[in-house]
Amino acid sequence: QSVLTQPPSVSAAPGQKVTISCSGSSSNIGKNSVSWYQQFPGMAPKLLIYDNDKRPSGIPDRFSGSESGTSATLDITGLQTGDEADYYCGTWDSSLSDARVFGGGTRLTVL
Amino acid sequence: QVQLVESGGGVVQPGRSLRLSCVGSGFTFSDYEIHWVRQAPGKGLEWVALISYDGERKYYAASVKGRFTISRDNSENTVFLQMNSLRPDDTAVYYCAKVTTRFDFTGDLDYWGLGTRVTVSS
Repeated sequence: QSVLTQPPSVSAAPGQKVTISCSGSSSNIGKNSVSWYQQFPGMAPKLLIYDNDKRPSGIPDRFSGSESGTSATLDITGLQTGDEADYYCGTWDSSLSDARVFGGGTRLTVL
Repeated sequence: QVQLVESGGGVVQPGRSLRLSCVGSGFTFSDYEIHWVRQAPGKGLEWVALISYDGERKYYAASVKGRFTISRDNSENTVFLQMNSLRPDDTAVYYCAKVTTRFDFTGDLDYWGLGTRVTVSS
């Protein structure tokens, strides 16, 4: 059971928009920045969004992040078949046992 | 360019030990916290451990606390993960990753290595 909750899967057609949610609590998302990672099968995770809504150099603006209270969201617009991957949210949890936490991951299918 | 390279994985019997290494380059290694994150076959990402830039602070996931030890040698740009009393559920690809911001152990993870595979099996 992951500390952060993500839907197991989402799907949409090419060109459409998809939203992936990440739900946490006051000790993690409510207190610390959220990042999002993209992972293709057999590959290492890649940072897509950091500090809730910032994109690293080279990440297209089709990917955007937001945060509100104890939840965060990753939006992907203009879907491409090459976006099919697993997406993970992550943050720091400042509870009694300080720890980095991740969501369970969301598999994106581009129909 | 920033690079992190893990090594030391392999096949090991339950109860035995293994030491993983993570060598960083392309950045001022001694200024950044380093994490270990693992991924079991077909599963999601699981955080394992974190070491502060100076090695003074260390944090562990409950699942590995007391069995794994993280350390670093900034003179060699290397972070280690000593894994003792290994169990079959430790089987995973182990990644090391650096934080985005210097001296910020709560920060996001920007660069990841390619991972090293650990299999615990008799």
